[in-house]
Amino acid sequence: QKEVEQDPGPLSVPEGAIVSLNCTYSNSAFQYFMWYRQYSRKGPELLMYTYSSGNKEDGRFTAQVDKSSKYISLFIRDSQPSDSATYLCAMSEFLRGNTGKLIFGQGTTLQVKP
Amino acid sequence: EPEVTQTPSHQVTQMGQEVILRCVPISNHLYFYWYRQILGQKVEFLVSFYNNEISEKSEIFDDQFSVERPDGSNFTLKIRSTKLEDSAMYFCASRDASYEQYFGPGTRLTVT
Repeated sequence: QKEVEQDPGPLSVPEGAIVSLNCTYSNSAFQYFMWYRQYSRKGPELLMYTYSSGNKEDGRFTAQVDKSSKYISLFIRDSQPSDSATYLCAMSEFLRGNTGKLIFGQGTTLQVKP
Repeated sequence: EPEVTQTPSHQVTQMGQEVILRCVPISNHLYFYWYRQILGQKVEFLVSFYNNEISEKSEIFDDQFSVERPDGSNFTLKIRSTKLEDSAMYFCASRDASYEQYFGPGTRLTVT
């Protein structure tokens, strides 16, 4: 079983739609969960991070973590064509002495059509 | 806004040659990382660096790879004898005591 699984898509939605992006994971030691946005041949850009379970909201973006199900989600409200990119989930154990290395999902390619 | 920078943006080299990829992390950050992304694949961890030493490395980071922080600002990744399979995007990342890692724009390495 892969440590982090993410449907690569592509996911195509009309402008204004609510987008739901998801990852599952197998390592119960993961404590920190991040979402990155990556445009083609560019570096990952940090969108949001959450610690343990719960929700976090930032503008049009909401991140959810359900540790009991080992499932995380990113919701994008009122999606815009500029949101078209690949969205990467990433996770870290961050236990005492851990270096904070990130384990990434495959990435989901999102296209928002005008 | 502070950002991680990387040079060069694209490096083409012949198999067996040495390459050095350079990064300038965000100035007050203490933890530094290299990741790579082969075209169409996941971003993979290579190595982490803290307090002037390697704190963790992956199986990919074999004896052909080394990292160095030669001064207070630069962080380098050296590949001693490049192979075709080293062709990838290489990303540098850094963080402070918080948990948010910030990535540079990457160096595209092409080995011919």
